[in-house]
Amino acid sequence: AQSVSQHNHHVILSEAASLELGCNYSYGGTVNLFWYVQYPGQHLQLLLKYFSGDPLVKGIKGFEAEFIKSKFSFNLRKPSVQWSDTAEYFCAVTPRDSSYKLIFGSGTRLLVRP
Amino acid sequence: DTGVSQDPRHKITKRGQNVTFRCDPISEHNRLYWYRQTLGQGPEFLTYFQNEAQLEKSRLLSDRFSAERPKGSFSTLEIQRTEQGDSAMYLCASSPEGSGNTEAFFGQGTRLTVV
Repeated sequence: AQSVSQHNHHVILSEAASLELGCNYSYGGTVNLFWYVQYPGQHLQLLLKYFSGDPLVKGIKGFEAEFIKSKFSFNLRKPSVQWSDTAEYFCAVTPRDSSYKLIFGSGTRLLVRP
Repeated sequence: DTGVSQDPRHKITKRGQNVTFRCDPISEHNRLYWYRQTLGQGPEFLTYFQNEAQLEKSRLLSDRFSAERPKGSFSTLEIQRTEQGDSAMYLCASSPEGSGNTEAFFGQGTRLTVV
């Protein structure tokens, strides 16, 4: 069965610390990959996406992610976090079949202390 | 606001009652999805429409759940004989047609509480 694993459920960092959130997926075919963010009280928003090409993708607000096909991973990184990055982060994959439904991980709650 | 719109934002209902939620997708988007999110979990896929055709349903969608998209525009999700286990956030998303762009845009969700 298709699945997405996010290794950290809760992460607490101080401002200016570096961030890396792990994401691994299980699917034998070709996928599109996404990171979504949900700020407190807001809807899910796209942070970045990977469809093809350069496996290092850059998103909004200084976030980036690297697709490593051999490891089925798509880890999210940011060199220096800010208090405003406090949010829940979801990794998701879309198998490239007809429905393009999203399969989400369970999420990582990030708390950045000022 | 031209994003995905969901109504109502919150719904409290007694067990056994029927509820209906509405989703208005981004106007040029052909694909519409319903997801359910419970506390501490990521959203789980429920069903998918391409225009007015419902093309896929998750096994999570029991017989008490029905979704429609009658004219390929807005969609409704109805839950009959609600149970406490139905309490969750119900999310709607839409995306444009085309294999190259599957970015989904989400609404604010409808939070259902069954008491």
